[in-house]
Amino acid sequence: GAGVSQSPSNKVTEKGKDVELRCDPISGHTALYWYRQSLGQGLEFLIYFQGNSAPDKSGLPSDRFSAERTGGSVSTLTIQRTQQEDSAVYLCASSLPGQGGTGELFFGEGSRLTVL
Amino acid sequence: AQSVTQPDIHITVSEGASLELRCNYSYGATPYLFWYVQSPGQGLQLLLKYFSGDTLVQGIKGFEAEFKRSQSSFNLRKPSVHWSDAAEYFCAVGFGRRALTFGSGTRLQVQP
Repeated sequence: GAGVSQSPSNKVTEKGKDVELRCDPISGHTALYWYRQSLGQGLEFLIYFQGNSAPDKSGLPSDRFSAERTGGSVSTLTIQRTQQEDSAVYLCASSLPGQGGTGELFFGEGSRLTVL
Repeated sequence: AQSVTQPDIHITVSEGASLELRCNYSYGATPYLFWYVQSPGQGLQLLLKYFSGDTLVQGIKGFEAEFKRSQSSFNLRKPSVHWSDAAEYFCAVGFGRRALTFGSGTRLQVQP
């Protein structure tokens, strides 16, 4: 497709279970970002991939969170042993090379995670 | 510490009225500045951005923003609001290759 695609759009899970969220960026966009949007709060930066460089993981809130990007394209965000405070909308965005802080980010519609 | 502040959580304006959404930043140097809009059921969309030069920037949908270095502000304005402008608006800052830092957002409600 033409835009950033995220799946699933909605995920309900039980506390303690692991979840995987997927992001398919715009073709040609080598930069990929994950953000988290909690109710009443802004976007919280999680992790940033840029080409073959080491990812910027400085925003990951705990070691239960991890992300990988295979083949420089699709990315998966994994949350292990989910907690209720992990409930949020997880947003993925992509951008052109080297445009991280200076260019336009294209966002997907997000994956809404609810932890019961 | 570096931060982006949007002091207004929720604003209600009448259709046709003017609008100003506030954004302040705290950084060691002037960052790149952005406004994004998140309409219900849609992803975030870039409204406008400031890198350098003219401090008044024009964006899509009739929005504009003014960078004021002395006030560390980048307020978003629109002369006449339409009902379709009801959405959540986020100010964001960026440096070089780092990921953008977003404010907490302002939810705009438009009354008929």
